[in-house]
Order: sequence, then C-alpha cells, then structure tokens
Amino acid sequence: NAGVMQNPRHLVRRRGQEARLRCSPMKGHSHVYWYRQLPEEGLKFMVYLQKENIIDESGMPKERFSAEFPKEGPSILRIQQVVRGDSAAYFCASSNLPGTSGSYEQYFGPGTRLTVT
Amino acid sequence: GNSVTQMEGPVTLSEEAFLTINCTYTATGYPSLFWYVQYPGEGLQLLLKATKADDKGSNKGFEATYRKETTSFHLEKGSVQVSDSAVYFCALSGGAISGSARQLTFGSGTQLTVLP
Repeated sequence: NAGVMQNPRHLVRRRGQEARLRCSPMKGHSHVYWYRQLPEEGLKFMVYLQKENIIDESGMPKERFSAEFPKEGPSILRIQQVVRGDSAAYFCASSNLPGTSGSYEQYFGPGTRLTVT
Repeated sequence: GNSVTQMEGPVTLSEEAFLTINCTYTATGYPSLFWYVQYPGEGLQLLLKATKADDKGSNKGFEATYRKETTSFHLEKGSVQVSDSAVYFCALSGGAISGSARQLTFGSGTQLTVLP
C-alpha cells in the first residue's frame, strides 16, 4: 500500500518564479492537508482539502498561495512570485473520511524542500 | 486557540538511558494527542496516539499517557538506542468530525541525539 507521495522532493526557484508542489494521498484517503516547516521551527498548518473542495484554509497566506485537489490527479500547492521567505519544507498529509475508524490519523509524505534563490 | 508546548532541546543521552520529553497542551474540548518522529531529510512518521483521557499510546518501546488533569502527554522510553536519534513532535487535533478541528497543531520539536 503506497504511502503519501510528494514531488518534487527538492525544488529550486528564483525570486519571482512560480512553484508547484504535488501531493498524491495514500490509497483510499480522500482528505489532504498541507503544512509548512520553516527552518528551525515546527510545522504550521496551511490548508485542508477534500476532492474539489477547500475545507479550511485558515493557515494559508492571503496572497500568492493557492491549493487545489481536483477530482482526478494529485493535490497541488501553488506559490506565485516566490520570495526568499518562502524557502521551507512543505509537507502533505492525508487521512481517511471523517467518522471512519482512525480518521483522525494523518499520514505524511516525505516533503518538498523549496529553495528560493 | 489550540497550542502545544514542548520541552526544548536538544537532548543528548547515552545509549540505554531513560528518556522523557515533556509536552503540555491547551485546547477546547477533547483533543486527540499524537507524537510524531522525523528522521533527517524525511517526513513525519506517526509514533503513537491517544484519543481520550487516561489512554496510553505505545509503540517501539515509547509510551505516552493522555493526562487531562495536567493537560500533558509526555513521551517516555525506558532505554534509548542510537537509532532513536531524531526530532520528536508533540501534536494535537481538535477532533475527528469537525472540518476545521482536524488540522494538527504541533509543538516546536525536540532534537534527540543518542550517543553509543
């Protein structure tokens, strides 16, 4: 049973470029979460999505950041016009349907390490 | 809002020593509590969990008990190994049903180094 997949694992962008981070949830999971880990800090929640729907985006910066989870394909976290402060590790997690056994457990991918030069 | 306060590191121990990493939380209602472990260059792995008061989560020799009266979920291991060297994160979520409560709130992480 494949785990949560993220790609690319490492991404380098110049200031002003766009970054696209992809996440494929664990098989059978329909809920995806994105977290950001800044250097020397813990993980901070960004957004929670289910297929074709954003459930909670209270942790997303108001500008330049967007996320989607289409009916087909992976979830995408998009950062437009990147700045040096966006350099961080971005982790995706997935979980089962609410109300099902173990649905409160989130399983994490290996992360995408974004470096903005 | 929810918050997690975790013992600051780094923590350095000799092999076979006893480990405690303190974690306390602030939350409304009855959160679920977790410990995650992160090895260098990797994502987070769920180490153990507890979903209600007095539950004890355990895995790979690690244990933590959900103490509602002290709002704590301290991680313990009786005899650490070199392979336990990693960063440990305490986390909570507000519940399994409500959408906005499902996000994880993390502590700042504790770096553990075990020397042979």
